[in-house]
Amino acid sequence: SQQGEEDPQALSIQEGENATMNCSYKTSINNLQWYRQNSGRGLVHLILIRSNEREKHSGRLRVTLDTSKKSSSLLITASRAADTASYFCATDAFTDKLIFGTGTRLQVFP
Amino acid sequence: KAGVTQTPRYLIKTRGQQVTLSCSPISGHRSVSWYQQTPGQGLQFLFEYFSETQRNKGNFPGRFSGRQFSNSRSEMNVSTLELGDSALYLCASSLDGGGNTIYFGEGSWLTVV
Repeated sequence: SQQGEEDPQALSIQEGENATMNCSYKTSINNLQWYRQNSGRGLVHLILIRSNEREKHSGRLRVTLDTSKKSSSLLITASRAADTASYFCATDAFTDKLIFGTGTRLQVFP
Repeated sequence: KAGVTQTPRYLIKTRGQQVTLSCSPISGHRSVSWYQQTPGQGLQFLFEYFSETQRNKGNFPGRFSGRQFSNSRSEMNVSTLELGDSALYLCASSLDGGGNTIYFGEGSWLTVV
């Protein structure tokens, strides 16, 4: 399968703590995008990082990309209960055909 | 500006029937793609349309088809429904399908009984 892997599959933390999720993929990419999905809802776009970028920030989010290891990480700092959701990475190769990871379920306890 | 809009949000169909799902992309976006999400298989790419032409296709049987209209709106159709087609179907749009940010709709929940 071309599907990427995410690690951990599930993560439980307290509010205020940082959450780190990792994503590995298998093929050469153009972009890597991170999405959040609340239960039963659509995907919310969080951040896009291009293959020639190594790190990107957006508010409390920090994404890194290591193309030599075919991996990325998403760090959410100072987590809130509202961050409880599933997080997916997705890669593309110059088209809109995204290959998704398996997702990380994040639970943030108040 | 309005996001990606999908209709209907929920539907229940019987095995053997067919279903059509609709998607309106973000205004100005010309690329529309479709994904299926199930607990077992995760998120899988169905197809992508750009300027009314199918540009990419995933590994799904021919019962799954789609089209795009001149106003970039898209529909997908599943014929001869099977129980395993029960899933969340997500539509996404981007400016031109060339490596830009891809935005998703809320999805259409299909239950086949």
